Amino acid sequence: DTGVSQDPRHKITKRGQNVTFRCDPISEHNRLYWYRQTLGQGPEFLTYFQNEAQLEKSRLLSDRFSAERPKGSFSTLEIQRTEQGDSAMYLCASSLGRLAGVTGELFFGEGSRLTVL
Amino acid sequence: QKEVEQNSGPLSVPEGAIASLNCTYSDRVSQSFFWYRQYSGKSPELIMSIYSNGDKEDGRFTAQLNKASQYVSLLIRDSQPSDSATYLCAVNSYSNDYKLSFGAGTTVTVRA
Repeated sequence: DTGVSQDPRHKITKRGQNVTFRCDPISEHNRLYWYRQTLGQGPEFLTYFQNEAQLEKSRLLSDRFSAERPKGSFSTLEIQRTEQGDSAMYLCASSLGRLAGVTGELFFGEGSRLTVL
Repeated sequence: QKEVEQNSGPLSVPEGAIASLNCTYSDRVSQSFFWYRQYSGKSPELIMSIYSNGDKEDGRFTAQLNKASQYVSLLIRDSQPSDSATYLCAVNSYSNDYKLSFGAGTTVTVRA
């Protein structure tokens, strides 16, 4: 296993179009996270899954954003009716949940960079 | 108040010197602390984790944690040009549902 993979790595789209990003986590990891990062800022939490269950969504995730993780394997993040403010790096990370609910370290994919024109 | 704050930088150090990075956090019950390195245009890469008070050393990196002061630091000894990157401090806790909260990062430039 070569780690977390994301696709596509770069996406340029026009305002109003829909885009979808895919993330394949490290195979034995049961937790999958989506973060967004803009220039000069640290990653901001968007949502996360434990297996197939989506446990939390940040208030940053407007109704235009939806994430799924069918069968607890890969995940998709869809943005509908994109806006210029959606331009960012979308990072996926996975981790192996530990006993007592303490998460382990997050391992990030290479990210999907979105540019909305 | 931001959950995780880092000294803003940028931090410029000569090759071979020690780079010192600082991070404070607001949630007193935070349990796990991480330092990630991020090269320009790349994703964050975990370089250190620390869970209990004191120092933890890994090669040229030393993480220091003081939970009473809500402070965590990273020292990079014998800095190399390849250490030039942005360093992100990240924290998680039960009250935050164990998801990582990141600081904005400190950019380090090592001058040859």
